[in-house]
Amino acid sequence: QAVLTQPASLSASPGASASLTCTLRSGINVGTYRIHWYQQKPGSPPQYLLTYKSDSDKQQGSGVPSRFSGSKDASANAGILLISGLQSEDEADYYCMIWHSSVLVFGGGTKLTVL
Amino acid sequence: QVQLVQSGAEVKKPGASVKVSCKASGYTFTGHYMHWVRQAPGQGLDWMGWINPNTGGTKFAQKFQGRVTMTRDTSISTVYMDLSRLTSDDTAVYYCARAMTVGSPDAFDMWGQGTKVTVSS
Repeated sequence: QAVLTQPASLSASPGASASLTCTLRSGINVGTYRIHWYQQKPGSPPQYLLTYKSDSDKQQGSGVPSRFSGSKDASANAGILLISGLQSEDEADYYCMIWHSSVLVFGGGTKLTVL
Repeated sequence: QVQLVQSGAEVKKPGASVKVSCKASGYTFTGHYMHWVRQAPGQGLDWMGWINPNTGGTKFAQKFQGRVTMTRDTSISTVYMDLSRLTSDDTAVYYCARAMTVGSPDAFDMWGQGTKVTVSS
């Protein structure tokens, strides 16, 4: 079982909100991890969005709009990237990442379609 | 402004090695760890390891140990990633990415533009 699992795809309408999940493997407690999120558009390198561990331990990337935010769902053992007020330019691949056992691990990525 | 500029695309034969460079500017080069991440065509991101430009210390993902070397030249603010014994599975875009926190191999906030490496006979 992968350390981080993301749904392969998600669709949402312009102006709506989208919740992208990053589920940690059973036995790895989401509460102890800082979860980092990246956005990647075709043909471009990933861009840093934000980091979320808790409401008191979070960081927004430089220039990243506040409609991108992070949270956690402890019951689902998952990190969440919430994008509100979806715009067509938000259509991209989104990756979560954590430090686990001294190595960096990426989720498989979610392709967000805005239609 | 912070910039990471990588070397150009490479085409290599199976069994060969490739060396990719990443020149940093706009910040104190020795203050921030540098990571390497690769992305195979149509696939996700795969972390390879990091180098501490201050000390030259490195850490690699287990799958690359024995095949990857990361070095730096502080006089020209450049890090290098050398991958040996290439196979077609190494065909990918290789990115350098700067750790965001001074003195810590933290997550990354800046990425190079990527270097496409193609392994083909």
